[in-house]
Amino acid sequence: DAKTTQPPSMDCAEGRAANLPCNHSTISGNEYVYWYRQIHSQGPQYIIHGLKNNETNEMASLIITEDRKSSTLILPHATLRDTAVYYCIVGNQGGKLIFGQGTELSVKP
Amino acid sequence: KAGVTQTPRYLIKTRGQQVTLSCSPISGHRSVSWYQQTPGQGLQFLFEYFSETQRNKGNFPGRFSGRQFSNSRSEMNVSTLELGDSALYLCASRPDPGPARGAFFGQGTRLTVV
Repeated sequence: DAKTTQPPSMDCAEGRAANLPCNHSTISGNEYVYWYRQIHSQGPQYIIHGLKNNETNEMASLIITEDRKSSTLILPHATLRDTAVYYCIVGNQGGKLIFGQGTELSVKP
Repeated sequence: KAGVTQTPRYLIKTRGQQVTLSCSPISGHRSVSWYQQTPGQGLQFLFEYFSETQRNKGNFPGRFSGRQFSNSRSEMNVSTLELGDSALYLCASRPDPGPARGAFFGQGTRLTVV
């Protein structure tokens, strides 16, 4: 079973920051937090991952709380092309990803 | 760099037949994982291969099998197809099996069993 809890859906205005929350209260010390997204009918796309520290790349920022029980994915300037299902996954075996239901993000003009 | 390539993209098979799907990972990537996606069950892990060895296996019946070749290309096979095997089958590759790596997915093979 997935070890994460995400809201089923969220809306965001185009150009604004999208903040997607994820709870993972049972995460263990050696487990990473991974974020992927899936645009309809395409394969999932890797976004970012982190262990303890906050991470940033060209796509997004990942903020992990100090107790590591929750995290937030931030898309700084959402566009219509960011409309997708976003999956938060925790684990320590990057090749074995346990997907939950994810958050369906709708970016609206 | 070319992405993960899966062939064929679409496939229609009859119940009872078997099917083989192919995955070519990103050049230099040696870890390959397979997933099944259905509307009812979502994305489910099938198995992971590294250096021609299966490292992890999901909770699927023995009809589902896979292998990896020395060039890291991978195939998965489903025997005695059932209607419920209709799904999008996705392959993902990573440079190595360590946890600190993102996985890069192909576009998938859409299998329809009739």
